[in-house]
Amino acid sequence: DQQVKQNSPSLSVQEGRISILNCDYTNSMFDYFLWYKKYPAEGPTFLISISSIKDKNEDGRFTVFLNKSAKHLSLHIVPSQPGDSAVYFCAPYNNDMRFGAGTRLTVKP
Amino acid sequence: DSGVTQTPKHLITATGQRVTLRCSPRSGDLSVYWYQQSLDQGLQFLIQYYNGEERAKGNILERFSAQQFPDLHSELNLSSLELGDSALYFCASSPHERDRGEQYFGPGTRLTVT
Repeated sequence: DQQVKQNSPSLSVQEGRISILNCDYTNSMFDYFLWYKKYPAEGPTFLISISSIKDKNEDGRFTVFLNKSAKHLSLHIVPSQPGDSAVYFCAPYNNDMRFGAGTRLTVKP
Repeated sequence: DSGVTQTPKHLITATGQRVTLRCSPRSGDLSVYWYQQSLDQGLQFLIQYYNGEERAKGNILERFSAQQFPDLHSELNLSSLELGDSALYFCASSPHERDRGEQYFGPGTRLTVT
């Protein structure tokens, strides 16, 4: 199932800089999108979501942008902190959840 | 701590065997979801139960089955195990049948098939 793609398996940024994680989807019926964060040896935890009626949702250091015409969303983390180092999953939702393969973010002190 | 518990934490078994993974959802949550995460893949949705009934099916093999009991805990049964079934299996729960996706995940069960 390739309805969700996170094309960058890994990303490394310096502490204090911006992290941008990208996600592409193919199904225009997806109407709600979520980002989950996963630390090693733990289950994923919900981070932030966005409805398709919006193009931006902000929660503290985390902002998700949705470009419906491009079927693309991105998660911005500003400023990045070492504790943000984790795997981030994009998960479009339409009656069920589809997870991307994840992007491993490493924030270097 | 999400409030979702999964047992066992680790399981090592041989090909051809059968195992049962157990999940207890958060208190009050009626929906339970099962996911598989293999080494080279993201989280694959397997199946959802809501209040004891199957609600949605994803990429679940016929060798796998699940159920949700009256006390709302759920079990995932994996049979005729193959090497490729080695993965992390996550259970998640949510309060309702459709919660716009926000789910609470357990810590996972790591299954190794040798």
